[in-house]
Amino acid sequence: QQQVRQSPQSLTVWEGETAILNCSYEDSTFDYFPWYWQFPRESPALLIAIRPVSNKKEDGRFTIFFNKREKKLSLHITDSQPGDSATYFCAASADNMGYKLTFGTGTSLLVDP
Amino acid sequence: DPKIIQKPKYLVAVTGSEKILICEQYLGHNAMYWYRQSAKKPLEFMFSYSYQKLMDNQTASSRFQPQSSKKNHLDLQITALKPDDSATYFCASSQPGQGGTDYTFGSGTRLLVI
Repeated sequence: QQQVRQSPQSLTVWEGETAILNCSYEDSTFDYFPWYWQFPRESPALLIAIRPVSNKKEDGRFTIFFNKREKKLSLHITDSQPGDSATYFCAASADNMGYKLTFGTGTSLLVDP
Repeated sequence: DPKIIQKPKYLVAVTGSEKILICEQYLGHNAMYWYRQSAKKPLEFMFSYSYQKLMDNQTASSRFQPQSSKKNHLDLQITALKPDDSATYFCASSQPGQGGTDYTFGSGTRLLVI
C-alpha cells in the first residue's frame, strides 16, 4: 500500500509558468511533510517542508499548500526555470513512527526554455 | 567537503556474491538510514538506526544486514546478491528532535548485479 501518492508522474511546463505538483497521503498521524528534489545522478535534497499547523508555507518561488481535511498538499513553483527541472518527492513522517520518512513515487518536472 | 561519505560510488557484483556498502556521516547526527532507489520503487526505506540501535527494518530479506561499528557509521552488508538487488543505495542521516525529520543524503552507491 502506497501511503504517499504523487501526481502527475511527469509534468512539462514552459519557462515562466507555474508548475503544480500534487501529493496525498493515507495516514492521518503524519505530521510533517517535507519535499525533496533530486537532479539526475545526484542524491535527494530537502527543498521545503510544512507542518499541519499551517496550511501554507512559502520559500521564494516555492509554496506548499496543505489541506488537512482532504489529506492533500501541493507544491507550486512559480516562474519556473529550466534549472528547476528535477524529480520532486513528497514525503511524510509522524512522531509515532520514529524518524522514518515515507516518500511518494515522485513527479518528474521538465521546464522547457 | 561531503558531509556523508558513501563508498564505493559504483559497484559491479556477480550473482551470489557478498558486498558491503560503506557509509560515514560527519554531521554529528544521531540517526542514520538506508534507502534504495530503483526504477520500480523510487525511494524505498530499508533501515533506520538511532544511537547505533536498530529502530525500524522494512527489508523483507535477511540478506540485507546493517552494521554500525561507530555512532557515525552505518554500513550495509548484502549477501547472496541477485540481479534484482541492482539499484542505487542511499545512506542518510538526521538529527531527531528538531521539529521534523530532515534528512541529509549521501551521494549513493550504484550497485549492478550481473
